[in-house]
Amino acid sequence: GAVVSQHPSRVICKSGTSVKIECRSLDFQATTMFWYRQFPKKSLMLMATSNEGSKATYEQGVEKDKFLINHASLTLSTLTVTSAHPEDSSFYICSVTRRGRGYEQYFGPGTRLTVT
Amino acid sequence: GNSVTQMEGPVTLSEEAFLTINCTYTATGYPSLFWYVQYPGEGLQLLLKATKADDKGSNKGFEATYRKETTSFHLEKGSVQVSDSAVYFCALSEDNAGNMLTFGGGTRLMVKP
Repeated sequence: GAVVSQHPSRVICKSGTSVKIECRSLDFQATTMFWYRQFPKKSLMLMATSNEGSKATYEQGVEKDKFLINHASLTLSTLTVTSAHPEDSSFYICSVTRRGRGYEQYFGPGTRLTVT
Repeated sequence: GNSVTQMEGPVTLSEEAFLTINCTYTATGYPSLFWYVQYPGEGLQLLLKATKADDKGSNKGFEATYRKETTSFHLEKGSVQVSDSAVYFCALSEDNAGNMLTFGGGTRLMVKP
């Protein structure tokens, strides 16, 4: 069964509003959580890496004030897209690494964001 | 920097056909190599991996061999099934913990009965 969940699976919002996406690791504590963005017919681009209780590390070119990441616990991370614009429309995917299982990332099913 | 290049899809095959999806990489060190699969409506799942040169990763009938001399990690399966229809991503990591993944563009495989 799924080990990582994301909520919501799809969201449509109006330009200028903020949207929060949750990522939860089920059944185990996550060492690290990652947020990716996937454009249509394109690969996954890493946006940021977060560890519980510390600030997220953002990849070059990703605006940390626009994509707020909160890693409140060992099983929950949230990504908030602030003041969303149509160009933020994308598929957002989180992944987690499991304590003691360093090599494998477990991916969530993704959240499709559409900004109108 | 690191990069992964894989063949563009879609790849359309008939059931029981032989599959090859090419993947080549560029890395500064000695990365670990991965294939992930994304079934429709689901998240990416690790299919197989290889952590050093000449290693062969295998799972569910799929295989890939880490070729350092050609910087390649081609995915193969001898006889595909309709249920193998998915998007396949090649990836590498130079992080010993496998955290920092660099993905290829993905290849969509469509298997027809």
